Amino acid sequence: GEDVEQSLFLSVREGDSSVINCTYTDSSSTYLYWYKQEPGAGLQLLTYIFSNMDMKQDQRLTVLLNKKDKHLSLRIADTQTGDSAIYFCAERPVSGGSNYKLTFGKGTLLTVNP
Amino acid sequence: DAGVTQSPTHLIKTRGQQVTLRCSPKSGHDTVSWYQQALGQGPQFIFQYYEEEERQRGNFPDRFSGHQFPNYSSELNVNALLLGDSALYLCASSLPGQGTDTQYFGPGTRLTVL
Repeated sequence: GEDVEQSLFLSVREGDSSVINCTYTDSSSTYLYWYKQEPGAGLQLLTYIFSNMDMKQDQRLTVLLNKKDKHLSLRIADTQTGDSAIYFCAERPVSGGSNYKLTFGKGTLLTVNP
Repeated sequence: DAGVTQSPTHLIKTRGQQVTLRCSPKSGHDTVSWYQQALGQGPQFIFQYYEEEERQRGNFPDRFSGHQFPNYSSELNVNALLLGDSALYLCASSLPGQGTDTQYFGPGTRLTVL
């Protein structure tokens, strides 16, 4: 079954890069997502990658995927105080088109210090 | 372009009562998923509705039921409420057949059971 693990806390200084890590266990083809949750709010989709890709870049965000180690990372360049939030990694294995649920990690709390 | 909307925003109930939460999907989306997010945890998949049928269900008891209407909106019903049902309930909508089946989340309904 699916299992997603994340480190719980990350603290960085404004202007530095942040790297949030995630590991997943499912061995089939899978979509991997990053969501952001601000206090008291729902989840905002940041980006996603399919397991046949190694990297995806979208403005300040870079996603790196190491398929051999089942390790996913989200790099945020030039981190700002507005980036302070909880970041969730989620996976959705593609198994004959019959799996629709997202499995989430527990989230990484990113704190950006001025 | 309206995003996913949920009502009510907050709700307080007592043990043993029943509750109904509502969700309207993002414009153009026809699939609705429900998740439960306990404090300090990642969201857990409850079920997904497509074409007014429950298509996939997570590991939740039968006290959790749902419905999807012809306009694609959805309701989540929880009977015989327990203290442990206190959580943020998130609705997500998606449009299958788009490859990624990416799920977009609403702001959530905060349920408190006393």
